[in-house]
Amino acid sequence: AQSVSQHNHHVILSEAASLELGCNYSYGGTVNLFWYVQYPGQHLQLLLKYFSGDPLVKGIKGFEAEFIKSKFSFNLRKPSVQWSDTAEYFCAVTPPASGTYKYIFGTGTRLKVLA
Amino acid sequence: DARVTQTPRHKVTEMGQEVTMRCQPILGHNTVFWYRQTMMQGLELLAYFRNRAPLDDSGMPKDRFSAEMPDATLATLKIQPSEPRDSAVYFCASAFFRVDTEAFFGQGTRLTVV
Repeated sequence: AQSVSQHNHHVILSEAASLELGCNYSYGGTVNLFWYVQYPGQHLQLLLKYFSGDPLVKGIKGFEAEFIKSKFSFNLRKPSVQWSDTAEYFCAVTPPASGTYKYIFGTGTRLKVLA
Repeated sequence: DARVTQTPRHKVTEMGQEVTMRCQPILGHNTVFWYRQTMMQGLELLAYFRNRAPLDDSGMPKDRFSAEMPDATLATLKIQPSEPRDSAVYFCASAFFRVDTEAFFGQGTRLTVV
């Protein structure tokens, strides 16, 4: 079945460590890609998005993601995490243009940053 | 500050009761999504609407769930009768459908069915 996969379900890092969260999707064709963050008890907020152009996308709070079409991947990175980055991170894809633009989410990665 | 508004924020109800969750999308947005979030399943797309018309509700249990958009400023998700397995956080999101669209999420309704 077509899907979005986030292989790291739980990640624990110390402050200042580097972060990379994996996201792979199985849809062919042109897709739009997103990373959302959900802080404890809050709603989802957009971190960054990719539609076209430069495959290295910079988002808010020092996050970036790289789209690698050949690997069907859109991994999220941050060079140095902070305690305040503790949250759940979701990768999302809108499948190829079919007029629907529904967002399909991965299962999420819970990040805990130790102070 | 445009935002998606969901009510109620929390709902505790007894099994068998009807539950109605409401969502006010961002003014001007023409696409509304309903998601359910659980620990086991993550974020599941239940249904979504464009210009008030349902486009896809295949993720929704049809026997007990229904979703509607009575007008452009209100979307509703109804469960009747509710069951304990429906306990989850239900998120509404809205977007303006175009190539570079992104979805904006509401704060969610935390539903507990006892």
